[in-house]
Amino acid sequence: NAGVTQTPKFRILKIGQSMTLQCTQDMNHNYMYWYRQDPGMGLKLIYYSVGAGITDKGEVPNGYNVSRSTTEDFPLRLELAAPSQTSVYFCATTKGRGSGNTIYFGEGSWLTVV
Amino acid sequence: QQQVKQSPQSLIVQKGGISIINCAYENTAFDYFPWYQQFPGKGPALLIAIRPDVSEKKEGRFTISFNKSAKQFSLHIMDSQPGDSATYFCAASTSFNKFYFGSGTKLNVKP
Repeated sequence: NAGVTQTPKFRILKIGQSMTLQCTQDMNHNYMYWYRQDPGMGLKLIYYSVGAGITDKGEVPNGYNVSRSTTEDFPLRLELAAPSQTSVYFCATTKGRGSGNTIYFGEGSWLTVV
Repeated sequence: QQQVKQSPQSLIVQKGGISIINCAYENTAFDYFPWYQQFPGKGPALLIAIRPDVSEKKEGRFTISFNKSAKQFSLHIMDSQPGDSATYFCAASTSFNKFYFGSGTKLNVKP
C-alpha cells in the first residue's frame, strides 16, 4: 500500500528550465493537492483538484501548472524555473468533500533552482 | 494574509515536561482543526484533530484545547519525550476540504 508517491525526491534545476513533479496515489481519493514548504512559512497551497478534469488555484499558483487526467495522477509543472521556486513540494490527498477528512501527504520533493 | 497563525516558531522542552503550541484563526467557516507532526525528510502526518463543537480532545499524551469564542486552539504534549522532537503544524479546513496550515513549530525535547 504505497499511499501517495512523489518523484523525483531531489532535483537541481537551472534558471529557466522546466520540469514536472510527478504524484500518484493508490487510495482512490478524489481530492489532490500540491503544497510548497518554505522554512518558517508552513505549507502553502499551490493547486488542488476535486476530481479528474477539475483543477483550481490555491494561494501561490504563479509559475506552476497542473493537470488531472486520471484519479490517480496529479503532476505539477514548473515552467521557466526561478530561484524563488526553490522549496520542498508535497503532494497530498483527501477522500472527498465533507469536513473531517484526513489529508495524507507524500514524502516530498526537494527542488533547488540555481 | 495568513489564515492560521501559529506560535512559537521553536520550542525547547526538557524530557518529561509539557510542550504547548498555540494557534489562532479568523475564518469562522473553519470546522475542522487537525494537528500534523513532521519528522525530517518526511511528509506531515496526522497527529490529532478536533471539531469546534468540543472544547478538548485527548489521545494518549496529546491533547487539543479549543476555544471557539477566542478562535484559538492549542496542542499540549504531556510527558514530552525525545522521540516527540519534530515540527508540528496546526491546520484548519472547511467542508470543501481546503486546508490552511500554520507556519510550524520546531520542538526539541532534551533528554
